[in-house]
Formats: sequence, C-alpha cells, structure tokens
Amino acid sequence: DVKVTQSSRYLVKRTGEKVFLECVQDMDHENMFWYRQDPGLGLRLIYFSYDVKMKEKGDIPEGYSVSREKKERFSLILESASTNQTSMYLCASKDQGREKLFFGSGTQLSVL
Amino acid sequence: QQQVKQSPQSLIVQKGGISIINCAYENTAFDYFPWYQQFPGKGPALLIAIRPDVSEKKEGRFTISFNKSAKQFSLHIMDSQPGDSATYFCAASSYQTGANNLFFGTGTRLTVIP
Repeated sequence: DVKVTQSSRYLVKRTGEKVFLECVQDMDHENMFWYRQDPGLGLRLIYFSYDVKMKEKGDIPEGYSVSREKKERFSLILESASTNQTSMYLCASKDQGREKLFFGSGTQLSVL
Repeated sequence: QQQVKQSPQSLIVQKGGISIINCAYENTAFDYFPWYQQFPGKGPALLIAIRPDVSEKKEGRFTISFNKSAKQFSLHIMDSQPGDSATYFCAASSYQTGANNLFFGTGTRLTVIP
C-alpha cells in the first residue's frame, strides 16, 4: 500500500523561525499536496506539485513556500513562522489521472 | 468562502443506528464527490466516492446518496459501530477547475456509543 511519511508528528517553534516540514511518498506518484487542517475549517490546500520542480498555489499559500527537488519528496517551508500558522499540516500524494489522495499522518505544528 | 458546506459538526449515534452526514455545494461544475474518514492521529483515508451520473453508491454499510438538482449529497452509515467513530469529510472537485484541487467540507465528528 502507498505510504506517505511526514518527518515529524509534533513540532514546536518560535515566532519568526524558519520551519521545514518534510514529506516522502514511496509509490512514484506525480502529484503531491500540502493541506492544513483546522477545527471548523476542514482541510485547506496550501500548495501542490504535479512534477519535480513544478508547483501551484492552492487556496491559502500566503506565508508558505514549497520545494520539490525529487519526485518522492515535497517540503513545506514557513519562511517566518507566525502564531496563526499553528495547525495540523497534512501531506498527500496521488497518481496522475487518478483522484484518490493518500495522506500522511500529519504534523501538529505549534508556533509560540 | 466554503465551497462545500457540511453538517452536522458532530453526531452521536447508538450502536446499530444509522448515521447521516449531509453536504451541499454551489459549483455545478463539480463532478467528483468523495468522502474521507479520519481516525485520531491518522491522516484522512478515502472511504467512498460518487460521480453525478448515478444517484446512489453503496459499499458495505456505507452509502452515498446524490441529488444533482438540489446540489446535495450525503453519507449514510447503516448499523453504525463503535469502530466507525471518526471524523468524516465530504469533498468535491471538478476537472474544469483543476482536478488537483479537492474542496473539503468542514468535517463531522461521529461518535458511536456502544
């Protein structure tokens, strides 16, 4: 079965720090996604990537950037973390032409 | 603005009962409607999905009912079990607006009481 692995389950950072969230998938999927999950707001798309070095903004890209240097790895970067970026971050991947998303277990980020 | 509206926010059902979660959308271009199930500490996982060319899809105890004219779809869980306790998200996407952008509802936390 597809495995999407997020590097950290919990992360605590200080305001203004640069934060890297890493995600790796093992099924050679072309498409990878970063969502944030907040109570009462559901899942909102931050960025997605459909190929190496390619990226597209989602619904809430402000304050975030991404990097995809290798097909299996998709990183989310918070250039200068702020308290309103405290959230659960979910990485997902899917095969090109398919609709089923495979999610990682999430990283709960707290920005103090 | 929420593209997909989901209700209720939380639901408590007795074991053996029927759980019903409702979703509504406005964008008539949506052509794919999945439901995702999320257990605590895990990421969401695809449970069942439907396209608008059918009004109902059933997989085991889980059924999606789809009403194209009302722009609504719902998840029915028959014979609900404590193991079904989870958060459920409906979602929608459209090939026109970019199939890679799946719009999620706000989620329903289901608790099934033994």
